[in-house]
Amino acid sequence: ILNVEQSPQSLHVQEGDSTNFTCSFPSSNFYALHWYRWETAKSPEALFVMTLNGDEKKKGRISATLNTKEGYSYLYIKGSQPEDSATYLCASLFRSNDYKLSFGAGTTVTVRA
Amino acid sequence: NAGVTQTPKFQVLKTGQSMTLQCAQDMNHNSMYWYRQDPGMGLRLIYYSASEGTTDKGEVPNGYNVSRLNKREFSLRLESAAPSQTSVYFCASSSDRPQHFGDGTRLSIL
Repeated sequence: ILNVEQSPQSLHVQEGDSTNFTCSFPSSNFYALHWYRWETAKSPEALFVMTLNGDEKKKGRISATLNTKEGYSYLYIKGSQPEDSATYLCASLFRSNDYKLSFGAGTTVTVRA
Repeated sequence: NAGVTQTPKFQVLKTGQSMTLQCAQDMNHNSMYWYRQDPGMGLRLIYYSASEGTTDKGEVPNGYNVSRLNKREFSLRLESAAPSQTSVYFCASSSDRPQHFGDGTRLSIL
């Protein structure tokens, strides 16, 4: 079992504020990192796939960075809106794990109007 | 755009009953996966199939069996359901890119 950890477990943000949260993973045998957005009563939807150290990806107001040497990724939400409320999952692929995804427990974001 | 389709969406079983969860994808993906989601634990891999004709155990395979019937379909079977298997089950598929998930099956074992 390869531990992928996310922090914080949950956070509350005022509408219009920006926020960020962390995904940590073992740096050895790292292959790729996925971020998913998971709304209540729906299925997880992919946001980003990142593989290279220093990668930065952006989709609208949401962006992510990757540091494979120290084993972490940040997800940023700029100017949070109520529709950003969701659980954000990160998952890592490792060569030593037959390239299966290891998921973190998620960070649940609640944006208050 | 059906994507990944899971059936049923909800099911209640008694301890000891058997059940098969169905999953089908129409994206011609090679790999398919079954996860369970429990509070505070994220998604845990039960079984996966890297390609048609192959299946492998994931993190929590005990109490489950799978069948990769063809490239489209990957079923999960509970032979003798136990209360510890109460969970939300997700099927996913991929071809070397992000996984696409079904809507989940909420399963309760009494």
